[in-house]
Amino acid sequence: QVTLKESGPGILQPSQTLSLTCSFSGFSLSTSGICVSWIRQPSGKGLEWLATICWEDSKGYNPSLKNRLTISKDTSNNQAFLKITSVDTADTAIYYCARSGITMMVLITFDYWGQGVMVTVSS
Amino acid sequence: DIQMTQSPSFLSASVGDRVTINCKASQNINRYLNWYQQKLGEAPKLLIYNANSLQTGIPSRFSGSGSGTDFTLTISSLQPEDVATYFCLQHNSWLTFGSGTKLEIK
Repeated sequence: QVTLKESGPGILQPSQTLSLTCSFSGFSLSTSGICVSWIRQPSGKGLEWLATICWEDSKGYNPSLKNRLTISKDTSNNQAFLKITSVDTADTAIYYCARSGITMMVLITFDYWGQGVMVTVSS
Repeated sequence: DIQMTQSPSFLSASVGDRVTINCKASQNINRYLNWYQQKLGEAPKLLIYNANSLQTGIPSRFSGSGSGTDFTLTISSLQPEDVATYFCLQHNSWLTFGSGTKLEIK
């Protein structure tokens, strides 16, 4: 059974660095074809893809945020991470992690998601 | 950037109704479109991938169609447990989402 769970600081101040952890089970980020991504949703707004890391350590970033994002993984402990530097109130959102994987030789994007974690940026 | 225009934003229908939700891409995305269901407080759930493939375990009343720029999610007979927000995702070029459709029972 595939599960993902996000964790984060809850609240932080403008200009700080946001660190998020995605802890997962039921799959390995060392398995060919597996990727983990971060997506966020500000309150009352739509979903925005942030970053993706894959089994072979390739990474992709949303161009609009690329300079502020760093995605990484710890394969041994089944975790993926996202750091966002210089946060401001616009970064207040629910942050999700999601898996992409191969089922019956078909790559399926975002086939499993975590429940999300709320992050508030406030002074 | 590929923009996804989803409609309607809000939908109220009766149990047993046929319901359709649409996503329109700003350019050709072939069949690289997924549909998701999100119930309040829960993780989004994949319903349909690559425009028309039903994810394992999803009831057959859900179906997807379309290619190129126009896509439709259909619920053939609405059930009370289908109350949720539905959204689309294009994964042809980068990744962008529709704005969501909130579905309620009339």
